[in-house]
Amino acid sequence: NAGVTQTPKFQVLKTGQSMTLQCAQDMNHNSMYWYRQDPGMGLRLIYYSASEGTTDKGEVPNGYNVSRLNKREFSLRLESAAPSQTSVYFCASSEPGQGGEQYFGPGTRLTVT
Amino acid sequence: QQQVKQSPQSLIVQKGGISIINCAYENTAFDYFPWYQQFPGKGPALLIAIRPDVSEKKEGRFTISFNKSAKQFSLHIMDSQPGDSATYFCAASIQTGANNLFFGTGTRLTVIP
Repeated sequence: NAGVTQTPKFQVLKTGQSMTLQCAQDMNHNSMYWYRQDPGMGLRLIYYSASEGTTDKGEVPNGYNVSRLNKREFSLRLESAAPSQTSVYFCASSEPGQGGEQYFGPGTRLTVT
Repeated sequence: QQQVKQSPQSLIVQKGGISIINCAYENTAFDYFPWYQQFPGKGPALLIAIRPDVSEKKEGRFTISFNKSAKQFSLHIMDSQPGDSATYFCAASIQTGANNLFFGTGTRLTVIP
């Protein structure tokens, strides 16, 4: 039981390049989330998927897109990376009605030069 | 606008001492208040959580105190140990729907042997 897995662990992009961050969970959770973590700002929600087939914007969605590929997988895409998107990205999952706990992946450290 | 305000930003405590981290919120619709613990290079992990129908919850050396009228809650770590050195985040959410978490900005705790 791996929990929440994320790939890649590290990535360096040049401004304007695109990439997709992958996330998968094996806990059969309905809800999945993407956060970014920046120094002094805590974790901020980018996008979430309350259930398979639905996605919604969080606090900081600009510059990102998401795809809920199936119940297990939720990807985050940067179409044209900017230095302001340098951050650590975390994926999380939860099951509504099971106490509210969100389970986090190990993170992807992204640097945009 | 930060929905959950957290202080202090950093905290240094002697081994055996009490660590106290405070959080405040404005949205009275919040009904779930978790604390997450994060070690360097790892994703956050749920430490303890409380709902507003109780004023205190204790799990081992960790206690949440909750003051609904003041819209404040705090984490107390009794008999702090060097292994408790980590970053702590408070959070709040509304449990209906997607259970989106709003995080505080984090407190870096260092416990000195």
